[in-house]
Amino acid sequence: KNEVEQSPQNLTAQEGEFITINCSYSVGISALHWLQQHPGGGIVSLFMLSSGKKKHGRLIATINIQEKHSSLHITASHPRDSAVYICAAPNTGNQFYFGTGTSLTVIP
Amino acid sequence: NAGVTQTPKFQVLKTGQSMTLQCAQDMNHEYMSWYRQDPGMGLRLIHYSVGAGITDQGEVPNGYNVSRSTTEDFPLRLLSAAPSQTSVYFCASRSNYGDGYEQYFGPGTRLTVT
Repeated sequence: KNEVEQSPQNLTAQEGEFITINCSYSVGISALHWLQQHPGGGIVSLFMLSSGKKKHGRLIATINIQEKHSSLHITASHPRDSAVYICAAPNTGNQFYFGTGTSLTVIP
Repeated sequence: NAGVTQTPKFQVLKTGQSMTLQCAQDMNHEYMSWYRQDPGMGLRLIHYSVGAGITDQGEVPNGYNVSRSTTEDFPLRLLSAAPSQTSVYFCASRSNYGDGYEQYFGPGTRLTVT
């Protein structure tokens, strides 16, 4: 059983499309994290959120604590958004449960 | 700030060899950790440290040792490499305060054991 589940696993979109990646978790958390991993590259933190919504440029993350669900949206997608997006939830021991990631490819 | 640095970026080992993956951070973070990433699986915690002199096991510690003699450095040692340890290894650090649990990741080390 995975404490953090992401969907879809793979996603291909045309440039300009609106993209949604979903994350559901089964553990109680204080905050949920969205990470981005570019092909062959390292991992960077995009968002850390505990309620409501956060926005950075074309990226928007939302969370519903009661439903234990979070979404990452990308507006006006671009080929440079192609990456693996990972959802992560810290447990009570301050360790992290990670989703297996969503591989996004944006085609020009 | 350099952030979190890892060396080497790539390494090929033969079964039974030992090596140390280096990790350093210059953000004065108390918490450091090592993960491995394998295809189709999420990041899995190997070992972590909440401060100098304190280390603990994560989800998949077998075959690995760590030590934390300084706040900055957190090396990961493979005692006797096995093909099952072929993976990409990430070091991460975070503060216990202020920005909460936001983690900063190193660029990764791609290890192949033949």
